[in-house]
Amino acid sequence: AQKVTQAQTEISVVEKEDVTLDCVYETRDTTYYLFWYKQPPSGELVFLIRRNSFDEQNEISGRYSWNFQKSTSSFNFTITASQVVDSAVYFCALSEAATGFQKLVFGTGTRLLVSP
Amino acid sequence: DTEVTQTPKHLVMGMTNKKSLKCEQHMGHRAMYWYKQKAKKPPELMFVYSYEKLSINESVPSRFSPECPNSSLLNLHLHALQPEDSALYLCASSQRPGQGRKNEKLFFGSGTQLSVL
Repeated sequence: AQKVTQAQTEISVVEKEDVTLDCVYETRDTTYYLFWYKQPPSGELVFLIRRNSFDEQNEISGRYSWNFQKSTSSFNFTITASQVVDSAVYFCALSEAATGFQKLVFGTGTRLLVSP
Repeated sequence: DTEVTQTPKHLVMGMTNKKSLKCEQHMGHRAMYWYKQKAKKPPELMFVYSYEKLSINESVPSRFSPECPNSSLLNLHLHALQPEDSALYLCASSQRPGQGRKNEKLFFGSGTQLSVL
């Protein structure tokens, strides 16, 4: 069965600090996809990144970076020089070949509070 | 246009009422999804429609009845709900069913906040 664990319930930082959000996943599938979504107070889930199980290359997009390590089943997300607008709930999610990739299973989310 | 539009944004209903939630997308996507999100919890999948046909029903109670009249529209009909059904209902779409295609991802609407009294 697939499972996503985000152990950090809430993180508070001051603007310009770097912050890392942890994500650990479980799956029996050899082919799967990992995602990060951001949910601001407005409620809409905003796609941030997708990573395929066969591609362990780390990625950087502006202030955001992701570290995917299959050996530890982790897909961590780092925000560099955080800003107040980064305040939101961040969800890590997983979809598997076993469900035709139609089912996206979310972790419990990490609430990030960035204060000025 | 990369939007998924949900109406209404807020809905209050009694346990004997019948109401419907609506979702619309004009991105040519052929898969649409309903998720339920309780307060301070992650979204949970309810239904998936692939090419206007129901492909996944996550054992959702029959008081929730989905409908996909065409590839752009998705409805969720509500009847005889319970107070514990109060939640944020999120609609999403993707270009094709499943996310096996390169760069496939879900586009979410901002949801309907439902309160059942």
